[in-house]
Amino acid sequence: GENVEQHPSTLSVQEGDSAVIKCTYSDSASNYFPWYKQELGKRPQLIIDIRSNVGEKKDQRIAVTLNKTAKHFSLHITETQPEDSAVYFCAATLYSSASKIIFGSGTRLSIRP
Amino acid sequence: NAGVTQTPKFQVLKTGQSMTLQCAQDMNHNSMYWYRQDPGMGLRLIYYSASEGTTDKGEVPNGYNVSRLNKREFSLRLESAAPSQTSVYFCASRGGQREQYFGPGTRLTVT
Repeated sequence: GENVEQHPSTLSVQEGDSAVIKCTYSDSASNYFPWYKQELGKRPQLIIDIRSNVGEKKDQRIAVTLNKTAKHFSLHITETQPEDSAVYFCAATLYSSASKIIFGSGTRLSIRP
Repeated sequence: NAGVTQTPKFQVLKTGQSMTLQCAQDMNHNSMYWYRQDPGMGLRLIYYSASEGTTDKGEVPNGYNVSRLNKREFSLRLESAAPSQTSVYFCASRGGQREQYFGPGTRLTVT
């Protein structure tokens, strides 16, 4: 079955700097890679996703890159702001809505003022 | 649309008691999921249901049972609660748009 490893587990960056979170997956059949943000005491919410037929996707200050050969994908947040402080989760699954979704262990991102 | 709803929001059980966590979605999604999140930890999949009438085990199914009652509802049952099941339980659903929508969570404490 799928196994997703996520690093680092905690990350502290200065406001305005960039943050990078990395994930690796084990199942080469996975073709859909979502990222979720969970603020303290709230439910996870999708912030960006990528399918395996593209190598990079960007949405304002966040971007995701995918290296399918190496089975790596990463989340990049530029010009970090206090509201970016949260726990971020990656996942790897099949695009089919019938698939189970296994998450990485999460990264707690703190933005220092 | 209410999205994904869960009841109850909070629950305290004694060891050995049983209870059922309820989840419903109004987005006509085929797939539904149950996760648990321990303090400071990630989301671990307990069970999922790819469609009405089907259920499959996830990463940590021991001690739990599920029922996909109909397309809208997916319940999680603890037959004999243990302190190790103290956690926040999230239900989620997923449809044609591929995004997984989460409910607000149920905070369960087993003493």
